[in-house]
Amino acid sequence: DGGITQSPKYLFRKEGQNVTLSCEQNLNHDAMYWYRQDPGQGLRLIYYSQIVNDFQKGDIAEGYSVSREKKESFPLTVTSAQKNPTAFYLCASSIGGKIDPQHFGDGTRLSIL
Amino acid sequence: SQQGEEDPQALSIQEGENATMNCSYKTSINNLQWYRQNSGRGLVHLILIRSNEREKHSGRLRVTLDTSKKSSSLLITASRAADTASYFCATDLKAAGNKLTFGGGTRVLVKP
Repeated sequence: DGGITQSPKYLFRKEGQNVTLSCEQNLNHDAMYWYRQDPGQGLRLIYYSQIVNDFQKGDIAEGYSVSREKKESFPLTVTSAQKNPTAFYLCASSIGGKIDPQHFGDGTRLSIL
Repeated sequence: SQQGEEDPQALSIQEGENATMNCSYKTSINNLQWYRQNSGRGLVHLILIRSNEREKHSGRLRVTLDTSKKSSSLLITASRAADTASYFCATDLKAAGNKLTFGGGTRVLVKP
């Protein structure tokens, strides 16, 4: 079955450490997205990519970095510059532009040790 | 604040009742989407309504859009315990490039 796989499901970060969240899709979608969700809140866009080797900052990109070297992969690195990284991180993909429904992975929950 | 704001923030109903939630937005949109999120899971797309449409149906779901009031509503008829989830609207702003803006969600509890 086609879908989006996020790993790991749970991740713990130490002070000063960078951590990378994985997102892989086999839907052959061009566009991919990373969102952050805080408890009881909606989603805020971190980064998005419409095509391989290209990505744009979303509303809260500071302290995060991404790469899009392959169509099926869009990893997110939470750097030590992100002072409040504890959140639920969701990856999504869509066929193309924003009119297309987004398909979501089941998220990674990041906590601080 | 986020573009889409859902109302109410939380809703508790009995199985078999209808659930209605609303989404308001501030600027012009191309389309509006509704998503469902079960606890601890990713979002699932429910329905998309374009700015030139007024109403759409999908199974027990009915979505309306009033662009003059900048609002949309999602109605779930004959609710079931399995409908317990958070529901989010996502707006496709004309001025926002290739991205959606999500609201804060309505948490729906359907009691058996």
